[in-house]
Parts: sequence; structure tokens; C-alpha cells
Amino acid sequence: GAVVSQHPSWVICKSGTSVKIECRSLDFQATTMFWYRQFPKQSLMLMATSNEGSKATYEQGVEKDKFLINHASLTLSTLTVTSAHPEDSSFYICSPKDSYTEAFFGQGTRLTVV
Amino acid sequence: GENVEQHPSTLSVQEGDSAVIKCTYSDSASNYFPWYKQELGKGPQLIIDIRSNVGEKKDQRIAVTLNKTAKHFSLHITETQPEDSAVYFCAASHYNQGGKLIFGQGTELSVKP
Repeated sequence: GAVVSQHPSWVICKSGTSVKIECRSLDFQATTMFWYRQFPKQSLMLMATSNEGSKATYEQGVEKDKFLINHASLTLSTLTVTSAHPEDSSFYICSPKDSYTEAFFGQGTRLTVV
Repeated sequence: GENVEQHPSTLSVQEGDSAVIKCTYSDSASNYFPWYKQELGKGPQLIIDIRSNVGEKKDQRIAVTLNKTAKHFSLHITETQPEDSAVYFCAASHYNQGGKLIFGQGTELSVKP
């Protein structure tokens, strides 16, 4: 299977600060990147979809100014949680996809805002 | 839009027994149905998938069946082992939506030795 590297695996930050999560597709070109959020004991909820070189499309209810997505290359996408608050504490998962196969998933990032 | 319902939310079986998890979907245009296993603190791992032109697919102890008419698909795990204990998610997508997956609510499977 494809190799996806997501970092960091966990992060603790203070309320009001920003956190950047990186997602790299190591052996394929991710023309599309999905970012999901998962609260404890719940399912994965799609936050946004981005195509390389284009602005991300956000799902209803997801603040685009709070969750900044950059997909500047075919192997790297970042999600920045700006001015984080305790309610942003969650498990964030990237899911890169190329043009030929179905999506793969990163290992996830556990964000805790204190 | 697509909606995926998954049952049961929890399932406990004895080692060696079979486990069945069921999902229904609402959008008849959906044509790809993967199943994922998620262990605590990790991302989902694809275990098997099926496309709408196939009714059944099997991979060793794992099988998936699809009923397009009824819009439901099921995961079957035979000869369960303690290491099968995890949360399982079904999902559905349609290629016209660029591969966007809609997930079911998840099933927490516990296999007791």
C-alpha cells in the first residue's frame, strides 16, 4: 500500500496559539487531499477537500479562516489550526489520493488544546 | 447527499465465532464501498472494498457483500481472533464526487479469548 506520513502524531498547545499538521505522500502524487476530524467515540467527519494548487473546499460548518489548508505540492499538504481553543481538541486525519486509486489515510494527529 | 448508516455500534463475540457488520446507504449513485479497521490512536486502515459491479468479494477471513437493490452492504469476519478487536467503519463514495468518502458511525468489535 501507499506510504503516508502525518506529523506530528500528537501535540498539546495553549489556547489562542496555532498548530500546523503536515501530511506527506511518500510514494505517490496526491492530486487530492482530504482532511478529516474525529471526536472520541465518533466517526470521521470530512472537513475539507483540496486539489494541488487550488483553494480548498470546506464542508458546511467548517470555518475556512480557522482551518487553513495548503496543498502547494503533490506530496505535501498542511492543515493549520489557527487560534486554537479547547473545543478544537480532536483527532485530525489526512487522506491523500491520486488520480488512479482510492484514498489512503495518515496515522492521525491528536490535538489537545489547554 | 449521501448518508451511511452502520449497525451495530458495538459487537462482542467469542474467539473463533463470526462477526457481521451491516451498512445501508442512501445515494443509489454511490459505486465504491470500502471497509476500514481503526485501532486506538491510529488512522483507518483499508481491509477490503467492493465496487458496485460486484456482489461479493472475499479475502481470507474477510468478505464483503453488496446488495445494490436494497442499498446495503455487509462485512463478514470468520474465525475471529483477539487481534480483530478494533473499530470498523464502512464508507461509500461516488466517483463523480472526486473520491469523497461518507463514513458510517462505526462498530466497536470486541473478540473475547
